[in-house]
Parts: sequence; structure tokens; C-alpha cells
Amino acid sequence: TQLLEQSPQFLSIQEGENLTVYCNSSSVFSSLQWYRQEPGEGPVLLVTVVTGGEVKKLKRLTFQFGDARKDSSLHITAAQPGDTGLYLCAYNNNDMRFGAGTRLTVKP
Amino acid sequence: DAGVTQSPTHLIKTRGQHVTLRCSPISGHKSVSWYQQVLGQGPQFIFQYYEKEERGRGNFPDRFSARQFPNYSSELNVNALLLGDSALYLCASSSHGGDRNTQYFGPGTRLTVL
Repeated sequence: TQLLEQSPQFLSIQEGENLTVYCNSSSVFSSLQWYRQEPGEGPVLLVTVVTGGEVKKLKRLTFQFGDARKDSSLHITAAQPGDTGLYLCAYNNNDMRFGAGTRLTVKP
Repeated sequence: DAGVTQSPTHLIKTRGQHVTLRCSPISGHKSVSWYQQVLGQGPQFIFQYYEKEERGRGNFPDRFSARQFPNYSSELNVNALLLGDSALYLCASSSHGGDRNTQYFGPGTRLTVL
């Protein structure tokens, strides 16, 4: 069983739409990380959230860490085709543990 | 500066064979980790090395082994290949071990076992 459950597994939307993807767990984490992975490449770190209730913004991407530090969400505003990729949440406990990811496709 | 590099980019092997994958970390990084990513899944941790010592091992059979060299580059070896070993193998480097160190991933080696 996955310690980090990500939903939805797949998401296909039109350019300009908003979307939210989720990363949930029954465990409490000191921090969570979000990565984006494009085809043929390794994951690239987007953000690390550390404090319960924390909200971080990266241009059109908004990341939130749940108050209880068990879950996190990623909201993308006005999605663009360049946002297409696999979005992974992960926690680092000396070794990285990843969720299965949300595969996002943004159609022009 | 160059990022994490991995070789080869693609590899095709048959069942029972052995494979060696290579990774060069970012200059100055002393920790290297290996991950297996099968289609449709997130990366699964295999090994972490720091200063040539194994720091962690994931839930993989003994057919998987690794080592880190004095220049901090690393090799992942897989013996007696199975069809289920087909995956993208990712290497990541960080400045040192520990849970607050950002890991930088290479592009991976795509292994296909026939």
C-alpha cells in the first residue's frame, strides 16, 4: 500500500482551466515535497512545505500543507500546455518516498 | 554546471543477464541515491550512498547492488534480470545525506528486459 495516496490518477483539461490535485496520508510528516516529471526526464523539485497550514505560491501554482501535516494539495490556475507532466508528492526520511503521481495533460 | 548524468540512456537486455548502470552526481555532491520507476508509478527507493558508505536500502532483492566510488560517482548492478525489472532507473544526488537535503535527479536509464 502507498503511504502517500495521490488523486486523481489522471487529469486531462483544456488550456485556461483551473485544477487541484491531492496528496493524502494517514501519517504525519515533518515536510512534504512536490515534484514535476516530464517524459524522458527525472523529477524536478517544485516546492517543500514544512509548516501545517502553510501556503506557498510559485507563479500559477499554489501549494498547501494541511493543518495536521497529513495531506497537501497543488492548485494550478489557468493551466497551460507546458504544465503537462506527472506531479509527484514525496516525503524525505533519508530516503525519498513518492506517491504514484497525478498525470496531467493540458490540451491547447 | 552539469546536472546529474546517467548512462546509458536506454538499454535492452534478456532475462537472466546482468546490467550495470552508471551515475555521475553534480559536482560537489557527496550523496547518491537510486530509484526504480515502473510505468504508471512513482519512483521507488533502492539505495542511498554517502561518502562511499551505504546509508539506506529499500525493499529490493539481493540481485540489486550498488557502490559509490572515490569521485562520488555510482554504479547500480542488477543480476539475473527478470521481466519485472523493466523500468526507468533514476539516480539523484544531494550535497549530503539527511532529510532536508534537496535531491537532484538525472534523466534516468530506461531498461527493457525481454
